[in-house]
Amino acid sequence: GQQLNQSPQSMFIQEGEDVSMNCTSSSIFNTWLWYKQDPGEGPVLLIALYKAGELTSNGRLTAQFGITRKDSFLNISASIPSDVGIYFCAGQPRGTSYGKLTFGQGTILTVHP
Amino acid sequence: SAVISQKPSRDICQRGTSLTIQCQVDSQVTMMFWYRQQPGQSLTLIATANQGSEATYESGFVIDKFPISRPNLTFSTLTVSNMSPEDSSIYLCSGGPATYEQYFGPGTRLTVT
Repeated sequence: GQQLNQSPQSMFIQEGEDVSMNCTSSSIFNTWLWYKQDPGEGPVLLIALYKAGELTSNGRLTAQFGITRKDSFLNISASIPSDVGIYFCAGQPRGTSYGKLTFGQGTILTVHP
Repeated sequence: SAVISQKPSRDICQRGTSLTIQCQVDSQVTMMFWYRQQPGQSLTLIATANQGSEATYESGFVIDKFPISRPNLTFSTLTVSNMSPEDSSIYLCSGGPATYEQYFGPGTRLTVT
């Protein structure tokens, strides 16, 4: 099946720094979604991307759907301690049913005050 | 968006027993899915919960082990049958409209001893 390669696996940054993470695949995806998961919670949807080249922001978060439809990135600007958590990219591969998502392995973000 | 609740939030079960997990959505949703998240890992899709018909299982998951019901557009159950320690995981349900966005419940943390 399709796989998503998410990097980096973990990041340790200082409060106020910007963060960037990305996901790539060898297959084409119809949509890209970015989720954040806090300990003991389910993933929370941050940003959804539907069109190749689309650039979408949600507060300090910005994500883009790659032109080739095989990649996406998420940027977090001016990080704060509550940004700590695991960030997952997820996508719906072309040819699959609505809502069936493939997840990346996650990026563990640690923010030092 | 959709708000999703799950019961129980956690359980410790004996080997060989079964546990049924409930998933309730606060609004009617077209699609519902069940995922498994093993400790420290990403999310893996178990099955699509189809309203009024048999669930559609992903490779590696079978109905006898993970029977699923979906009697209406707001509710689904997942049973983990004849449990072994390898079934210890977080089980998550997701729901959403007939688009790509999926919203997750808080998860059920299962420990099998």
